Amino acid sequence: NAGVTQTPKFRILKIGQSMTLQCTQDMNHNYMYWYRQDPGMGLKLIYYSVGAGITDKGEVPNGYNVSRSTTEDFPLRLELAAPSQTSVYFCASSNYGTGNTEAFFGQGTRLTVV
Amino acid sequence: GESVGLHLPTLSVQEGDNSIINCAYSNSASDYFIWYKQESGKGPQFIIDIRSNMDKRQGQRVTVLLNKTVKHLSLQIAATQPGDSAVYFCAEREGYSTLTFGKGTMLLVSP
Repeated sequence: NAGVTQTPKFRILKIGQSMTLQCTQDMNHNYMYWYRQDPGMGLKLIYYSVGAGITDKGEVPNGYNVSRSTTEDFPLRLELAAPSQTSVYFCASSNYGTGNTEAFFGQGTRLTVV
Repeated sequence: GESVGLHLPTLSVQEGDNSIINCAYSNSASDYFIWYKQESGKGPQFIIDIRSNMDKRQGQRVTVLLNKTVKHLSLQIAATQPGDSAVYFCAEREGYSTLTFGKGTMLLVSP
């Protein structure tokens, strides 16, 4: 049972560099999410998707982009990295359409921008 | 906007004690309230949820209580064990929208 898989686990970026955080799930879930978690804080929603081809902004979308070309994959793109984007990023998926509230999270990607 | 918050940032208990973690919410339109556990270096893990039309739900060693009058949610953990040490988040959801998380409470269990 792979669940939600995120890569890479750790990354250091220089200011202005770009990168893509990968996320894939094998549970055929319709909903997928990207959250960021700053030290000692809760999770803030960056972007989410309710199905392939559909994405929407969350609470803190600035500086990020996403795409959802397949049910399984939901990559998060950082175009011009800034120190404020230093955080731990979590991808999650769920199947809310069935009334189930449980979201499954990946292990996280720890990103440092210097 | 609407938010979910916690009263206590850190809760220290002895092994075997019962733990109570509290949460205040402000979105009266939320349909579900959910508790997540996050161990160090890991992603959050679902514990239990409760629908807004219920006031109590029990799981294995955990009970969630919902008081809509004062917009308060609590998680009770019976016979707390060292493995329960983690950060606990409450979250809320309205309809099929996304989860809104609170800031978290650190639970420390001493042997």
